[in-house]
Amino acid sequence: SQQGEEDPQALSIQEGENATMNCSYKTSINNLQWYRQNSGRGLVHLILIRSNEREKHSGRLRVTLDTSKKSSSLLITASRAADTASYFCATAALNDYKLSFGAGTTVTVRA
Amino acid sequence: ETGVTQTPRHLVMGMTNKKSLKCEQHLGHNAMYWYKQSAKKPLELMFVYNFKEQTENNSVPSRFSPECPNSSHLFLHLHTLQPEDSALYLCASSQDGGNQPQHFGDGTRLSIL
Repeated sequence: SQQGEEDPQALSIQEGENATMNCSYKTSINNLQWYRQNSGRGLVHLILIRSNEREKHSGRLRVTLDTSKKSSSLLITASRAADTASYFCATAALNDYKLSFGAGTTVTVRA
Repeated sequence: ETGVTQTPRHLVMGMTNKKSLKCEQHLGHNAMYWYKQSAKKPLELMFVYNFKEQTENNSVPSRFSPECPNSSHLFLHLHTLQPEDSALYLCASSQDGGNQPQHFGDGTRLSIL
């Protein structure tokens, strides 16, 4: 299966701390995307990193991609209570137009 | 506001009922998707429409019937559902069907009695 698998399944941190979550996948990809889902809402696209990119930043988010290890990480710096959500990675395989999502990492930021 | 609107937000139905879920996108996208989200499981892709043509049916039981009358509207017709079909059903759209970021609605929470 091409599905990304996030690790850990759940993460609890104090406000102001950094949160790091990882995604592993099995086959070659075109790009990898990270999404956030707040409770009771749909997924929101955060960032896309292409297979020829190694690192990308967007505000307090930093994404890395290591295609040799077939893994990616999402770092949220200086976390806030509003960052409490589930985070999903989605992989876009080569020669495929579909995205495959993992089961997500649930992040809780304590005030 | 994501530009993708789903109605209803909540739906409770018996196994013998017939109902429909509606999705509308205001983003000018050409591809639309139905996903099923169950607790602690990866998002399951159900159907993909690209320029109103169905390009993916991910082995979905026939009790789920999609309809895409135009690029802005997507329906999921439901009949004779089973308790295991209780889940959050998410609609999404993207510019086209080519690995691009998807925009999601807030979903319909479906409960089968």
